[in-house]
Amino acid sequence: EAGVAQSPRYKIIEKRQSVAFWCNPISGHATLYWYQQILGQGPKLLIQFQNNGVVDDSQLPKDRFSAERLKGVDSTLKIQPAKLEDSAVYLCASSLLGTSGYNEQFFGPGTRLTVL
Amino acid sequence: KQEVTQIPAALSVPEGENLVLNCSFTDSAIYNLQWFRQDPGKGLTSLLLIQSSQREQTSGRLNASLDKSSGRSTLYIAASQPGDSATYLCAAPGQNFVFGPGTRLSVLP
Repeated sequence: EAGVAQSPRYKIIEKRQSVAFWCNPISGHATLYWYQQILGQGPKLLIQFQNNGVVDDSQLPKDRFSAERLKGVDSTLKIQPAKLEDSAVYLCASSLLGTSGYNEQFFGPGTRLTVL
Repeated sequence: KQEVTQIPAALSVPEGENLVLNCSFTDSAIYNLQWFRQDPGKGLTSLLLIQSSQREQTSGRLNASLDKSSGRSTLYIAASQPGDSATYLCAAPGQNFVFGPGTRLSVLP
């Protein structure tokens, strides 16, 4: 079974530029998560999708971050414009269900973003 | 609001020792709790998922327990090996999944 795929693996941009990350979850997984992990910290949830709909985006900085999940499968996360403090690893995860029930999360390898 | 803490922040042990990593959470109304391993520069690998109806789960040399009433989970690693060196994170669902900051483990040969 293929795991969660993410691209690119690494990205270096100047501040105020824009960047986009892509995620392909495990086939059949209804729930998709985007996390931000700053060095030395645990991942912080940015947004959670259940199929096409947004379940939780309370910690997403909506003035610069946006995300979409087309047709309930692939998802993209965009930052525009980027700030220095956005330097982090962006992790995508998927699970069969949401936060209730049997809902083991599976993570992709992440995208390491460096903003100069 | 769910908050998750982990103790210790870092741990260094000689090979062969048994060790315990601790995870505490504030909202005990959880459906499950999940333990992950993260190697440097890599994503997270799921180790164990404990359902709220369970008290513990075992996989090889790993054993995780869950005590909802006290808001605690422990990860027990038996006969540690250098390959176990990594950061171990626990995650508990609240409104969304909340991760602890992790315990950085070094097993010395």
